[in-house]
Amino acid sequence: DIQMTQSPSSLSASVGDTVTITCRASQDISYSLAWFQQKPGKAPRSLIYAASTLQSGVPSKFSGSGSGTDFTLTISSLQPEDFATYYCQQYNSYPLTFGGGTNVEIK
Amino acid sequence: EVQLVESGGGLVQPGESLRLSCAASGFTFSSYAMTWVRQAPGKGLEWVSSIFSTGVVIYYADSVKGRFTISRDNSKNTVFLQMNSLRVEDTAMYFCAKDRRTTGGKIVEYFQNWGQGTQVTVSS
Repeated sequence: DIQMTQSPSSLSASVGDTVTITCRASQDISYSLAWFQQKPGKAPRSLIYAASTLQSGVPSKFSGSGSGTDFTLTISSLQPEDFATYYCQQYNSYPLTFGGGTNVEIK
Repeated sequence: EVQLVESGGGLVQPGESLRLSCAASGFTFSSYAMTWVRQAPGKGLEWVSSIFSTGVVIYYADSVKGRFTISRDNSKNTVFLQMNSLRVEDTAMYFCAKDRRTTGGKIVEYFQNWGQGTQVTVSS
């Protein structure tokens, strides 16, 4: 199975900051990487797939990059609605696997 | 508008069964793979099972293999998860998601929509 390691597991940031979350795969997954946002008590929301393709309706403040084993999610100009937990997921092979999540908190 | 509505969750005892349903609307259901993902209380997301568009290709997580069965009815735009021999560790919110659509072997849409989830609690 492909292990997905996210870092950091949590971070504190202020409104207006730019933050970067890293996701590392235990083996080459090409560009088969998705990012999701989840707020407490809510279903996940899809942000990005194919490492850098924004889902429809997702603002351009979210951006993804990377390929192979190393990927990043960058969120620019943080707003109160962006404080949430973010997960990466690889879909290069089954079983699909998620990272452990990154909790983005308000400083 | 795409809608995914899960149902069938509840409180059961260890060893019992439940059948989850996910009713889909707003898209061409038969063109998409469908997936179940679960989230135990206070934990992260865990993939459970996927079924491809025709229902022939199916995958399961090792943790549920042999106990859970995924199926779909393309005439009713619904995907199911039959859960047998439930364990305490199966307690979670279960989400269904619209998985991939492929064209010419290339993924052109992926995990664009999720349902709101249905709670499964296994406890004696």
